[in-house]
Amino acid sequence: EVQLVESGGGLVQPGGSLSLSCSASGLTLRNYPMHWVRQAPGKGLEYVSAITSSGASTYYADSVKGRFTISRDNSKNTLYLQMSSLRTEDTAVYYCVKAGAMDVWGQGTTVTVSS
Amino acid sequence: DVVMTQSPLSLPVTLGQPASISCRSSQRLVYSDGNTYLNWFQLRPGQPPRRLIYKVSNRDSGVPDRFSGSGSGTDFTLKISRVEAEDVGVYYCMQGTHWPLGTFGQGTKVEIK
Repeated sequence: EVQLVESGGGLVQPGGSLSLSCSASGLTLRNYPMHWVRQAPGKGLEYVSAITSSGASTYYADSVKGRFTISRDNSKNTLYLQMSSLRTEDTAVYYCVKAGAMDVWGQGTTVTVSS
Repeated sequence: DVVMTQSPLSLPVTLGQPASISCRSSQRLVYSDGNTYLNWFQLRPGQPPRRLIYKVSNRDSGVPDRFSGSGSGTDFTLKISRVEAEDVGVYYCMQGTHWPLGTFGQGTKVEIK
């Protein structure tokens, strides 16, 4: 069964940092570009970041540029999102998604930024 | 940036009746390979998004045939021929033509009257 499992979410104070991971099973991540997508409470879906299959190129939404870093370790079949200088508006469920077809999503991990 | 505009944003429907959601893009969504990368997703509370339709009109495996997608260029539609209780949720269109970061519509909340 193809599965993506996110981890690393939690409660963090504004200005703090958090690192998310997305582990794949039944899927060879190195073959695919990947996305992070989030949904804030009561809001719609928002693209956060993308990375090519090799990891050579990365892309960010303006709302997170300079604060978030996407990376991957294809040898571990894992995708990462390092988040720093977190703001209350970053509070959301974060999903890792197989890019292109957008047909495989993780269950999501919740990030809450609050004092 | 490509803007995706859905309407309506709220759609109360009677069980067994049809429903239709419109999605309009600010730019044409035909990619250089001739494909139009317009997807539709269903989001239910507590669940991750589920892709229903890909490349405008292709239904995903396991998606009931009461769901259909159509359109071209900048105008697209998701139709549910007869709404069932399990169809309650929020529906999003999404363009993947203008990458690397696609764009979602605002979402349409489907509820039962």
